Amino acid sequence: KAGVTQTPRYLIKTRGQQVTLSCSPISGHRSVSWYQQTPGQGLQFLFEYFSETQRNKGNFPGRFSGRQFSNSRSEMNVSTLELGDSALYLCASREGGETEETQYFGPGTRLLVL
Amino acid sequence: AQSVTQLGSHVSVSEGALVLLRCNYSSSVPPYLFWYVQYPNQGLQLLLKYTSAATLVKGINGFEAEFKKSETSFHLTKPSAHMSDAAEYFCAVSEAAGNKLTFGGGTRVLVKP
Repeated sequence: KAGVTQTPRYLIKTRGQQVTLSCSPISGHRSVSWYQQTPGQGLQFLFEYFSETQRNKGNFPGRFSGRQFSNSRSEMNVSTLELGDSALYLCASREGGETEETQYFGPGTRLLVL
Repeated sequence: AQSVTQLGSHVSVSEGALVLLRCNYSSSVPPYLFWYVQYPNQGLQLLLKYTSAATLVKGINGFEAEFKKSETSFHLTKPSAHMSDAAEYFCAVSEAAGNKLTFGGGTRVLVKP
């Protein structure tokens, strides 16, 4: 099976702009989670989507949002970008069953905010 | 709230020497525990996971980890380091199946020839 794919891999934006990142999970996986990785804060959970519904949310401001489509693909949106939003954004997918606990990560999208 | 502590943000080992990466966690319930590895400009790759079966868990690339409940630890070891082991390693905990992962700060491993 193909792994988790994320597009684009690299992105440069300026402060105040908005950005949309895309994640395609492993075929058959219904759950998609997003994480932010920065040198200062490390890896932090943003949110999880399962069957098009947000099931869990981390401690991030409302500028960070997401959605999931019927084919399980997910998008993450950040509005009014700030310099501190520069990070590697990782998407992870899993089957979504109650006993499935392994998350498989994509290569990430590296966002630079100038 | 869960937390994960990885002792040592950087570890330097000689090729062929033992690799030992320390991870301690706090959790109010029996956790699921994971070790992930991240190579430069890549995502996270699962090395191994503990899910309340055997306390000694074997993973890929010769790594293994032992769950010690009394010490709330899940240290990662590899008997003989290889140059290809140079990467950053993350310990993570989840309180329930499918729940969000809480990560430690990571340990960057340098392997000297």
